[in-house]
Amino acid sequence: DAGVIQSPRHEVTEMGQEVTLRCKPISGHDYLFWYRQTMMRGLELLIYFNNNVPIDDSGMPEDRFSAKMPNASFSTLKIQPSEPRDSAVYFCASKRYGVNTGELFFGEGSRLTVL
Amino acid sequence: TQLLEQSPQFLSIQEGENLTVYCNSSSVFSSLQWYRQEPGEGPVLLVTVVTGGEVKKLKRLTFQFGDARKDSSLHITAAQPGDTGLYLCAGAGAMGAQKLVFGQGTRLTINP
Repeated sequence: DAGVIQSPRHEVTEMGQEVTLRCKPISGHDYLFWYRQTMMRGLELLIYFNNNVPIDDSGMPEDRFSAKMPNASFSTLKIQPSEPRDSAVYFCASKRYGVNTGELFFGEGSRLTVL
Repeated sequence: TQLLEQSPQFLSIQEGENLTVYCNSSSVFSSLQWYRQEPGEGPVLLVTVVTGGEVKKLKRLTFQFGDARKDSSLHITAAQPGDTGLYLCAGAGAMGAQKLVFGQGTRLTINP
């Protein structure tokens, strides 16, 4: 079975440009999470969805960040305009509901560099 | 805000040695997970602990959940170069909570 699929794997862009990261979760999973990982701050939760509905976006840094999940098999994270401090690895993860939280399945990440 | 602090942040030891990594918080967690991450990949689940005082073993890895469910440890016996990676603990708040908060990780290097 295919795992969580993210694209692009690497993105280099200039400050001020729009960046769109994409994620296809594992089929049948009803939760989708977007995390950002940096050396300084570790793995931070940005937003998560349940059945395509955003549940908690308190980790989204500011209005420049937005995320959508138009259907069960696709989600996007958009940064507009991008800034150098947005440089990080962005992970998408999905899971099924579990009483004890359950296993989170991560994609391979999208490494973003903003110059 | 629930925070998880891991220590040490970096650890480099020789093959065959034992080590322990700690994950601490002032908050109570309903469950705690340990993940391992290799370069260029996403984290992969190693174990979930749920009950205070619980001990789980995975070959040479032993995981313990604190009695008060505020802390956890990972002990590796006779470390091998294949154990090299970033070890992350992650906690869930209330029972049934689906959101995980991650510690900053312990970067482990096992030298042959």
